[in-house]
Amino acid sequence: QAQLQESGPGLVKPSETLSLTCSVSGVSIGSYFWGWIRQPPGKGLEWIGYGSYGGRTHYNPSLKSRVTISLDASKNQFSLNLTFATAADTAIYYCARDHGSRGIDYWGQGTLVTVS
Amino acid sequence: QSALTQPASVSGSPGQSITISCTVVGSDVGSYNFVSWYQQHPGKAPKLILFDVNNRPSGVSSRFSASKSANTASLTISGLQIEDEAVYYCSSYTNIITSVLFGGGTKLTVL
Repeated sequence: QAQLQESGPGLVKPSETLSLTCSVSGVSIGSYFWGWIRQPPGKGLEWIGYGSYGGRTHYNPSLKSRVTISLDASKNQFSLNLTFATAADTAIYYCARDHGSRGIDYWGQGTLVTVS
Repeated sequence: QSALTQPASVSGSPGQSITISCTVVGSDVGSYNFVSWYQQHPGKAPKLILFDVNNRPSGVSSRFSASKSANTASLTISGLQIEDEAVYYCSSYTNIITSVLFGGGTKLTVL
């Protein structure tokens, strides 16, 4: 049973980089895709992107120019960097495991990041 | 640009059945095969309840089922219970299976 936990600053200044880390336990990040989904307060889910240990990454086209997802197998963690943050990036950020056709099957509890 | 369209809200009484639709809009969701459904209670992370159209993860009630035809997927919840009150999201890959789309979410109210 995998467990995921997001960590990082809850407040980011506009134009700075939003950085989050997801710590994974119970399963190795050496398999599957690992990614980020966000949810602005009171709104729906938005997929940000995912990456694999082999170096494959895929990003939401609307965020692609600002997003980097990287994996650290030695720490069993993966991270999100979102550059040039604006108020529109204020959201609850979830890290998750993307199991392909079997869906996004493990989610972190989410962390609220406010850009202000 | 593709999108998945869901009704904003549905409601039902305990014991009844309801269906939530998820319609593909746009030309690049060609395969639309890997449809998943998620349940989200207030203040909680989404939970996977169905994947690959109509497969349930372990522990998910058989009251949840889904189907797909052409460009519309549907989630059916039978024997509604109070605890089913939540927001439900559909999700799919684009046809090149490199991007994930979410529907806008449907709020289910159990009256």
